[in-house]
Amino acid sequence: GAGVSQSPRYKVTKRGQDVALRCDPISGHVSLYWYRQALGQGPEFLTYFNYEAQQDKSGLPNDRFSAERPEGSISTLTIQRTEQRDSAMYRCASSLARQASTEAFFGQGTRLTVV
Amino acid sequence: KNQVEQSPQSLIILEGKNCTLQCNYTVSPFSNLRWYKQDTGRGPVSLTIMTFSENTKSNGRYTATLDADTKQSSLHITASQLSDSASYICVVRGPSGGYQKVTFGTGTKLQVIP
Repeated sequence: GAGVSQSPRYKVTKRGQDVALRCDPISGHVSLYWYRQALGQGPEFLTYFNYEAQQDKSGLPNDRFSAERPEGSISTLTIQRTEQRDSAMYRCASSLARQASTEAFFGQGTRLTVV
Repeated sequence: KNQVEQSPQSLIILEGKNCTLQCNYTVSPFSNLRWYKQDTGRGPVSLTIMTFSENTKSNGRYTATLDADTKQSSLHITASQLSDSASYICVVRGPSGGYQKVTFGTGTKLQVIP
């Protein structure tokens, strides 16, 4: 597609439920990043992939969070047993190459609300 | 712990005035530093990128400076416009254990008023 696409745009879930957030990066982009952004805060890095390999997951808050990118394209961020503190905007970004200077393009995000 | 701190947290200026946003970081080693502009409800968009050897870089009315010795960067906006109202986020990238890791600042919320 023309840009980074995320779905769903909005997700309201009950505490304790699992959620899966999807990111469809720009076609051909090697690197894919997940961030989350609480209201009024800057983005918080979660994890990133080069192709299908998860390179850094040090930003994942705890083991309820996991991400995969099995074919090196679409990625899914899964949150198990959601808690209210998980409520945030979850953003995905992709970049063409692995070089550090390559610009990352961001998706519109998924607004997750845990009630 | 690698940190990126921005100041001020928020800023209101009159249209046409200049302003300077600050970013201090402790990320080490350092690969590059980007300034992003994030409009309300949108994803961040890159304004400038600077590497260790660069001291200043301009993008239209935006000028970023970098002092890698003191680990400080600034973003100067000249002749502000109403459309400059946004959050400005400083992002520092550095290698960590063989991988590239990004650390985000908390952002400065700028409001330009007529």
